[in-house]
Amino acid sequence: QKEVEQDPGPLSVPEGAIVSLNCTYSNSAFQYFMWYRQYSRKGPELLMYTYSSGNKEDGRFTAQVDKSSKYISLFIRDSQPSDSATYLCAMFSAGGTSYGKLTFGQGTILTVHP
Amino acid sequence: SQTIHQWPATLVQPVGSPLSLECTVEGTSNPNLYWYRQAAGRGLQLLFYSVGIGQISSEVPQNLSASRPQDRQFILSSKKLLLSDSGFYLCAWSKEDNQPQHFGDGTRLSIL
Repeated sequence: QKEVEQDPGPLSVPEGAIVSLNCTYSNSAFQYFMWYRQYSRKGPELLMYTYSSGNKEDGRFTAQVDKSSKYISLFIRDSQPSDSATYLCAMFSAGGTSYGKLTFGQGTILTVHP
Repeated sequence: SQTIHQWPATLVQPVGSPLSLECTVEGTSNPNLYWYRQAAGRGLQLLFYSVGIGQISSEVPQNLSASRPQDRQFILSSKKLLLSDSGFYLCAWSKEDNQPQHFGDGTRLSIL
């Protein structure tokens, strides 16, 4: 079993839709959670960074963390064609030999069509 | 603000040839530095990380090596490339262990 599971999609939605992207994880030591957006042939770009359970909002993006269920989500409101990309969840633990080392999900390919 | 540069953007090399990929970070000092490889349709695999000059930790035994000759310079090398070394190589930096990592735009390496 992978430490982080992410549905690779692809996910196709119409412009203006609300998009929900999700990851589950098995390692209860994970405490820091990130979402990255990666356009084709580019490096991942940090979208959201959260530490605790709950919601964090930034413009059209909301990151949600539920540590009790080991489940994180990224919501995109009013999706735009420019949101079409691969979205990667990532996480790491604090302390021990794995401190600061990111574990990534496989990435979800999102297409927003006009 | 901080920026990270990787070059070259694309590289085509024959099997058995050497490799040197370079990454530099600007606008910060003593960053943590990372090399990742991303295979098509898969997540990122950590190859090496460094917390300081000359300090390199290897995550995956392989045909590659890394060096950090200066505070903000990270180099990925190989003496003899294999077909399996093809992929998208990404360099990243973070300020501290509990801070998120920021990525460069990568080098797409094709081995013929």
